[in-house]
Amino acid sequence: NAGVTQTPKFQVLKTGQSMTLQCAQDMNHNSMYWYRQDPGMGLRLIYYSASEGTTDKGEVPNGYNVSRLNKREFSLRLESAAPSQTSVYFCASSAWDRAITEAFFGQGTRLTVV
Amino acid sequence: KQEVTQIPAALSVPEGENLVLNCSFTDSAIYNLQWFRQDPGKGLTSLLLIQSSQREQTSGRLNASLDKSSGRSTLYIAASQPGDSATYLCAVMDSNYQLIWGAGTKLIIKP
Repeated sequence: NAGVTQTPKFQVLKTGQSMTLQCAQDMNHNSMYWYRQDPGMGLRLIYYSASEGTTDKGEVPNGYNVSRLNKREFSLRLESAAPSQTSVYFCASSAWDRAITEAFFGQGTRLTVV
Repeated sequence: KQEVTQIPAALSVPEGENLVLNCSFTDSAIYNLQWFRQDPGKGLTSLLLIQSSQREQTSGRLNASLDKSSGRSTLYIAASQPGDSATYLCAVMDSNYQLIWGAGTKLIIKP
């Protein structure tokens, strides 16, 4: 039972480079989320997708784009990485678009932008 | 704007002690509150979810309470073990159906 799978687990980028973080869930969940976690702060929502074909901005969307490729997959793209985007990124999913049920998380991607 | 605070930021106790972690939130209009555990280099694991209509939830040695009116939740860990060492995060689902997170309490259980 894989749950939520994120790739890669670690990445170092140079300023200005682009990359895509991949996320897939096998629980048939409707909703998927991307968060970033910075030291001393709570997780902050970047983007979310309430259902296949829809995406919405969260608290900190600037510098990111997302694609809900299908019900299973939700990718996060950094078009031109900046040092301020150095963070740990988490993908999550939940059964309902209102997330009344619990959320399940991937293991995270530690991204460093130099 | 909903804000979630967890105090203390870090806690170290001897093995076997009972302990309480605190979570407070500024807006009582929440749908639920979740407690998560995060181990170094790993993802988050949901421990307990309390719906806004509930007062507490229990799972094994863990008990979480919720007092919406005062904006507080506690996570009680009984008979702590070294394996309980982790960072504990609480998150509330606000009126916009978004999860708002605390910064976490880093717990160390000393053998």
